[in-house]
Amino acid sequence: GAVVSQHPSRVICKSGTSVKIECRSLDFQATTMFWYRQFPKQSLMLMATSNEGSKATYEQGVEKDKFLINHASLTLSTLTVTSAHPEDSSFYICSARALAMTSDTQYFGPGTRLTVL
Amino acid sequence: AQKVTQAQTEISVVEKEDVTLDCVYETRDTTYYLFWYKQPPSGELVFLIRRNSFDEQNEISGRYSWNFQKSTSSFNFTITASQVVDSAVYFCALSEEGDDKIIFGKGTRLHILP
Repeated sequence: GAVVSQHPSRVICKSGTSVKIECRSLDFQATTMFWYRQFPKQSLMLMATSNEGSKATYEQGVEKDKFLINHASLTLSTLTVTSAHPEDSSFYICSARALAMTSDTQYFGPGTRLTVL
Repeated sequence: AQKVTQAQTEISVVEKEDVTLDCVYETRDTTYYLFWYKQPPSGELVFLIRRNSFDEQNEISGRYSWNFQKSTSSFNFTITASQVVDSAVYFCALSEEGDDKIIFGKGTRLHILP
């Protein structure tokens, strides 16, 4: 149980295009989903927290207009990187917290590797 | 403020040796959670352990063991009889009660040499 998937696993796009990454909880309902970014050989940095049906909360320094997050249902959150540039190339990982779970219980997706040319 | 320090950036050991990965944390909360994750080259995070702040018992799971010491704010991870498949980046992480965030350390890249 507690499986989180991400799609796509890998994407290459041209500079200036927008890319959407999906995060799904497959066998549980996730009231809260989290988006992390990991640059090569670096740690995971939390970008934003999204709650189903409400606006996402962004961490300091993360541009909300550039990284659009939509958590439209209890099993799906999407991250759209708008007008992507090479510096947005990174490994994006989502995690999900199940209904009624404490804050420490997050299940991580397998990640999406974004390369912007 | 929360902080997790993994002072060892990279470690290389020969297969079958024991290796300990250090983790020191900072928090003002009395209730918090500590984690270790493994990240192999594929990138996927593999959950290894979660420990709450009230449980200071050391834990052993096969070749893995964890030493939690509140007095020194440390949560060290030891792999005994290391194997090549243990090669990965290992992250220590911290979450405070009532806070959504999991704060990750910078990770320790472990190389197990055959």
